[in-house]
Amino acid sequence: GAGVSQSPSNKVTEKGKDVELRCDPISGHTALYWYRQSLGQGLEFLIYFQGNSAPDKSGLPSDRFSAERTGGSVSTLTIQRTQQEDSAVYLCASSLVRGNGNTIYFGEGSWLTVV
Amino acid sequence: LAKTTQPISMDSYEGQEVNITCSHNNIATNDYITWYQQFPSQGPRFIIQGYKTKVTNEVASLFIPADRKSSTLSLPRVSLSDTAVYYCLVVGYYGGSQGNLIFGKGTKLSVKP
Repeated sequence: GAGVSQSPSNKVTEKGKDVELRCDPISGHTALYWYRQSLGQGLEFLIYFQGNSAPDKSGLPSDRFSAERTGGSVSTLTIQRTQQEDSAVYLCASSLVRGNGNTIYFGEGSWLTVV
Repeated sequence: LAKTTQPISMDSYEGQEVNITCSHNNIATNDYITWYQQFPSQGPRFIIQGYKTKVTNEVASLFIPADRKSSTLSLPRVSLSDTAVYYCLVVGYYGGSQGNLIFGKGTKLSVKP
């Protein structure tokens, strides 16, 4: 596609429910990243994929968070048993390859509110 | 990881030149320096990237001294629409030791009329 696409753009969920956030990277981009940004805060790195592999999952805040990527394209970030502190915007980004000066392009984010 | 340090905030007036400096003392040989701009309720967007000396595009200039331990983003003649958060990012080399793309807290630029 023309840019990184994320869905849903907004999600309100009840505490304890599971949510899935989807990211469609730019076509041909092999690297994909997930970040979280709480209101008024900086970007918190969560996880990145090179192809379908996620070499480092240490940025995920807890074991309630998981992510996968299939076919080297679409990625899903899943939050189980959501808590109010999970409320944030979840940003996905992609780049042609990881590192080496490649520009990363961000989507507009999925705004999650846990009530 | 090449940690970055930027001022938390800066104020400017329309028409002025704004320079935002970022420190990255332990930058690695293969790292690039990239700046992003983020408006409220939007994802960050790429502004400029460089490796050394000076890079200029239609939006900004990036100055990098020989030791590469810092960089300065220069925005000429800012307008109100340049009010945003600016992030300095050191982009690690694929497969290298620099790890993930870690953003700092950014610099909140406020442009006043």
